Amino acid sequence: NAGVTQTPKFQVLKTGQSMTLQCAQDMNHEYMSWYRQDPGMGLRLIHYSVGAGITDQGEVPNGYNVSRSTTEDFPLRLLSAAPSQTSVYFCASKPSRANEQFFGPGTRLTVL
Amino acid sequence: GQNIDQPTEMTATEGAIVQINCTYQTSGFNGLFWYQQHAGEAPTFLSYNVLDGLEEKGRFSSFLSRSKGYSYLLLKELQMKDSASYLCAVGTNAGKSTFGDGTTLTVKP
Repeated sequence: NAGVTQTPKFQVLKTGQSMTLQCAQDMNHEYMSWYRQDPGMGLRLIHYSVGAGITDQGEVPNGYNVSRSTTEDFPLRLLSAAPSQTSVYFCASKPSRANEQFFGPGTRLTVL
Repeated sequence: GQNIDQPTEMTATEGAIVQINCTYQTSGFNGLFWYQQHAGEAPTFLSYNVLDGLEEKGRFSSFLSRSKGYSYLLLKELQMKDSASYLCAVGTNAGKSTFGDGTTLTVKP
């Protein structure tokens, strides 16, 4: 199993550009989440999903959209990038009946 | 609201024991997690407590007191590779987790 994969690993955007961060998992996990981590801070939940077709907002959803058309994929869309969105983005998944979250390697995003 | 507090930094000596504390006030509780995160890497799961008491796993142990909103992670026989950030997180509902800002542990020879 590849586990949780994220692409790209690094990205530089200009203010106002849009882009999609990709996340995929091959473990058939029901739950998937997107977090952002700013320097010296913990993880803040952006959006999460408890299954295909179901998504909900986390702590910091503004400026981001998600969709969950399949169990495997959970892309995160930045609608109009802003410098405040410069961060490291982690995707995670877990089975519905287990406690451990599995994290992807992260995407390091810089918005100029 | 959600509030999770843990010390920002700690330093310990190789071979020693260190205890990292975490206090929380959250709306909803579905377990207390500890994750380890090395610099530039993704978090990895260390432990989960949902009932009061101590859970031991090798050199690492985690304790929970739900009535006090308190947990700690105990690391024994410290090794240099234990230098990392340790994240305390509380599970709420629907599989969501709220994270503290993490404790950066430096292990010195």
